[in-house]
Amino acid sequence: AQTVTQSQPEMSVQEAETVTLSCTYDTSESDYYLFWYKQPPSRQMILVIRQEAYKQQNATENRFSVNFQKAAKSFSLKISDSQLGDAAMYFCAYRSKSGGSYIPTFGRGTSLIVHP
Amino acid sequence: DTGVSQDPRHKITKRGQNVTFRCDPISEHNRLYWYRQTLGQGPEFLTYFQNEAQLEKSRLLSDRFSAERPKGSFSTLEIQRTEQGDSAMYLCASRGQGYTGELFFGEGSRLTVL
Repeated sequence: AQTVTQSQPEMSVQEAETVTLSCTYDTSESDYYLFWYKQPPSRQMILVIRQEAYKQQNATENRFSVNFQKAAKSFSLKISDSQLGDAAMYFCAYRSKSGGSYIPTFGRGTSLIVHP
Repeated sequence: DTGVSQDPRHKITKRGQNVTFRCDPISEHNRLYWYRQTLGQGPEFLTYFQNEAQLEKSRLLSDRFSAERPKGSFSTLEIQRTEQGDSAMYLCASRGQGYTGELFFGEGSRLTVL
């Protein structure tokens, strides 16, 4: 079974600075999806960014980018120019693309605190 | 509002009582997921529907839990004879047939068992 590990229970960053959240995963598959989801306090979880394993180029969405290291099974999220509204729980997730289970597996999350 | 909606948002019950949660997915989404989230944890998979068929169930889903999705639209998650360990946030998510794999989540139903 695939596992997703987020080793940072909490991270903090100053407004306008850059922060990187770490995620590692374990799989024997070669093609899959990786996701970062954001869960603001008392709000629903929303997708931040998605990466397909066969794509070597790192995904980017405005201030959010990933560093995808397939051989190392690492998928970190970089938030640039941090804003107060970025404060939330961030979850890394894995989903198989072929064979096996298509059920997304989530990490335990990283709480991001943004200081003004 | 065309997002995923869940009802009720909060439920407080006494141990031993039955509770039922409802999820209305995005209308064109044929895949529906239930997850459970406890404090300090990520979402843990409970069960998955494709249309009205329940295709996967987690070992977390004991025989006190049952989920349905009649007609492939809304879904219900029932917990019978609740225990204090059932206290958690129950999240519903839906997904369309596209290959992107993104889940769209509701705001969750928080259960407190006294």
